[in-house]
Amino acid sequence: AQTVTQSQPEMSVQEAETVTLSCTYDTSESNYYLFWYKQPPSRQMILVIRQEAYKQQNATENRFSVNFQKAAKSFSLKISDSQLGDTAMYFCAFMKLGPGGATNKLIFGTGTLLAVQP
Amino acid sequence: KAGVTQTPRYLIKTRGQQVTLSCSPISGHRSVSWYQQTPGQGLQFLFEYFSETQRNKGNFPGRFSGRQFSNSRSEMNVSTLELGDSALYLCASSLAGGKSSYNSPLHFGNGTRLTVT
Repeated sequence: AQTVTQSQPEMSVQEAETVTLSCTYDTSESNYYLFWYKQPPSRQMILVIRQEAYKQQNATENRFSVNFQKAAKSFSLKISDSQLGDTAMYFCAFMKLGPGGATNKLIFGTGTLLAVQP
Repeated sequence: KAGVTQTPRYLIKTRGQQVTLSCSPISGHRSVSWYQQTPGQGLQFLFEYFSETQRNKGNFPGRFSGRQFSNSRSEMNVSTLELGDSALYLCASSLAGGKSSYNSPLHFGNGTRLTVT
C-alpha cells in the first residue's frame, strides 16, 4: 500500500519570501504521478503542480516548483515570492498507474497549513 | 466552461437516515471520483466511475455506494448514516483516465458538507 507523509502541519512565511513544503511517500511502484493541491477556505481543491515519476526534470509552474528525489521518495514544493493568496492548506498526493494508465485514485498526505503574513 | 458542480453545499441528517449527493462534472469529462475529507482521517478515496461503470473502489463499507448516469453526472449514496459519516464529500472529474489523465488531471468541486446528528 502507498502512503504519503507531510511532516509539517503548519508553516508561516512572510509575503514575498520563499517557503518549502515537505512530502515523502512510500511505494513499491516504479511508475506513478505526484501532485500538489491547495485547498483555500473556499474548500475547492486546486491543482498546483504535477510530476511524472519517470521524468527526472523537476516540474515548474510559475512561482511553484518541486524538488523530486525518486530514490529518496521525496517530493517537496517550493513557493517563491509568496503572496497572500497562497494562504491555504497544501496537500501532497500520489497516484499509481494501473494497466491502462492513471487510476484517478489519489492518496493524499495529511496536509500543511500555510499562512502567508503581510 | 463551468466547473465541477456539487449539490447540495450543506446537508444535515439524522443517524440512521440515508443521503444522496450529486456531482455534475465538467462538460466532456467522463471520469468522476469521490473523496471523503474528515479532520481525523484526512482525504480518502471512495470510488471512481467511468462510462457508468465503477472502475476503482476505496476501503469503505457497503453503506457507501454510487452510480454514474449516461451524461456522466454522478450520485453518491450513504445509507444508515452514522455520526462518523460527518464529513466534506468532494467530487472530482477528469477527461478520461489512463495515460491521458496526466494531461487531464482531476478537477474538484467545492464539496458537500454533510453533518450527521
